[in-house]
Amino acid sequence: DAMVIQNPRYQVTQFGKPVTLSCSQTLNHNVMYWYQQKSSQAPKLLFHYYDKDFNNEADTPDNFQSRRPNTSFCFLDIRSPGLGDAAMYLCATSRDFRETQYFGPGTRLLVL
Amino acid sequence: ELKVEQNPLFLSMQEGKNYTIYCNYSTTSDRLYWYRQDPGKSLESLFVLLSNGAVKQEGRLMASLDTKARLSTLHITAAVHDLSATYFCAVDYNNNDMRFGAGTRLTVKP
Repeated sequence: DAMVIQNPRYQVTQFGKPVTLSCSQTLNHNVMYWYQQKSSQAPKLLFHYYDKDFNNEADTPDNFQSRRPNTSFCFLDIRSPGLGDAAMYLCATSRDFRETQYFGPGTRLLVL
Repeated sequence: ELKVEQNPLFLSMQEGKNYTIYCNYSTTSDRLYWYRQDPGKSLESLFVLLSNGAVKQEGRLMASLDTKARLSTLHITAAVHDLSATYFCAVDYNNNDMRFGAGTRLTVKP
């Protein structure tokens, strides 16, 4: 009964080679978020969508982009991954702003 | 800018003991979350605290919020090994900008 699904769970890419991470949800929530979590650190919010309205955190690098083609799916595109982008990427959803966020299992990205 | 500070960052305790994790934050907020994360896994929501004086309990964990002091606590009663994990507090401010504390890595030893 997975509610927030992320694919793939593990992704290996080469330095500079574009990569796309996927998130889908069965909760019909309005808000979807992408977080980056590096080893032994707290999750850091990259951006979020409220429906189709996109909000980018001020310090999110331009290298990171996102798409939300419909309510259920959201993608994280890393245009030119660097070694410093290796991390766990977490997708989360919430019904509305300021409500509990439900996290997916994460995608662990390795950049070679 | 909002700062969220947790302490301690590392906590090793014996089974059966009690302890408290503290979460201080620097900007007014009336909404605070506690999450649990097991190694290599995602975050699991534990508590949402919505108002000053809010107290919630689930099993051996109890969370409270004092918005005037900008402080939340997560109290562990009679710890068991299964509680070993990293615990994060997160503060919601500025309309859905959520900031996490650094996390408290808890190890419960038999």
